[in-house]
Amino acid sequence: GQQVQQSPASLVLQEGENAELQCNFSSTATQLQWFYQRPGGSLVSLLYNPSGTKHTGRLTSTTVTKERRSSLHISSSQITDSGTYFCAMEEDTGYQNFYFGKGTSLTVIP
Amino acid sequence: EAAVTQSPRNKVAVTGGKVTLSCNQTNNHNNMYWYRQDTGHGLRLIHYSYGAGSTEKGDIPDGYKASRPSQENFSLILELATPSQTSVYFCASGGRERDTEVFFGKGTRLTVV
Repeated sequence: GQQVQQSPASLVLQEGENAELQCNFSSTATQLQWFYQRPGGSLVSLLYNPSGTKHTGRLTSTTVTKERRSSLHISSSQITDSGTYFCAMEEDTGYQNFYFGKGTSLTVIP
Repeated sequence: EAAVTQSPRNKVAVTGGKVTLSCNQTNNHNNMYWYRQDTGHGLRLIHYSYGAGSTEKGDIPDGYKASRPSQENFSLILELATPSQTSVYFCASGGRERDTEVFFGKGTRLTVV
């Protein structure tokens, strides 16, 4: 089945630093979405970005479809950015299955 | 605003009992999904559906059934609950077209004792 690999598994930053999260997948993606989850919370959609570069606030996602990878850049991190970030993709097989990576746990400290 | 509502939010069940988790979406989405989330495993797809009357197996369907009686509703059924099914379950909906996002419910925490 589809493999979605996220790196790093965990990351600790000081407030104000930038974060770069990576997502690699084993087959061509037709959809690529980044989610955020607080401990015990639900998944909140951050960015929908199947290809190219998209921005929202301090977040930038770049997806290179042919290279089967996507990144999420968080600029000027804040303590409230702490949580787990997931990428999820739907593969280009005609079957609409949505697969998740295991997430990157981000901790932002003062 | 896209909305996916799960019920119940918390459930304690006994081993061997039947559990039904419900999900309702008002997004008019064709696709609906059930995931479970466990520490160390991320989110794993249990069942999904392309529309009313359809259910498909995901990656970990054993021990689970699904039902999609209408566009809006998608249920996950545990006929004989086991402690290994203790988890947090998430429902999601998405459009059939490729250029659509997926939206999640708030989750159901199930404990099987």
